[in-house]
Amino acid sequence: DAKTTQPPSMDCAEGRAANLPCNHSTISGNEYVYWYRQIHSQGPQYIIHGLKNNETNEMASLIITEDRKSSTLILPHATLRDTAVYYCIVRPNSGGSNYKLTFGKGTLLTVNP
Amino acid sequence: DVKVTQSSRYLVKRTGEKVFLECVQDMDHENMFWYRQDPGLGLRLIYFSYDVKMKEKGDIPEGYSVSREKKERFSLILESASTNQTSMYLCASSLNGMNTGELFFGEGSRLTVL
Repeated sequence: DAKTTQPPSMDCAEGRAANLPCNHSTISGNEYVYWYRQIHSQGPQYIIHGLKNNETNEMASLIITEDRKSSTLILPHATLRDTAVYYCIVRPNSGGSNYKLTFGKGTLLTVNP
Repeated sequence: DVKVTQSSRYLVKRTGEKVFLECVQDMDHENMFWYRQDPGLGLRLIYFSYDVKMKEKGDIPEGYSVSREKKERFSLILESASTNQTSMYLCASSLNGMNTGELFFGEGSRLTVL
């Protein structure tokens, strides 16, 4: 799987948009970008994933650059409950022999009142 | 609501004991995973299974074994627990097909080995 680089920590004011960057310059053509988050003392939670088009769901938006070497997860109106470690992961979407997901260290997002 | 249930939230065991961590999912998922999480090291994959009775080693399988006798249940076994196996253990499951990267995680089992 391609490696990802994320800042170790970020701060955001409550009610503002949180923009979390991720670099994945070695991503290959069949690899998707996945985002998860982990709130303290809980298991990780899937947020969103995409291949090359921007994606949006009820939790967040995912913006992938045209060359696919980086992406940004956007939480449009951050709340205190969004304080968590956010993981960016790249991997093929289909199964075969590569089912696993490799988590890095992620970005600790702290939403401040 | 989809659910991955881990049998124990907190366990305390002694060195040398045999430890079973159980995980059950109710989503009819083919794939199941065991991770451990330690401060500064992130989540590391121990074992995964893509079908009943099938298993594959992850990144850190030493000292662990697994069992998948039924589709909904995936057990992690520590044959002889050691203090360096003190950790948070997380179970997850996913479907085959287009979205195998969408994992559903349990709440975790925090194991302390004394």
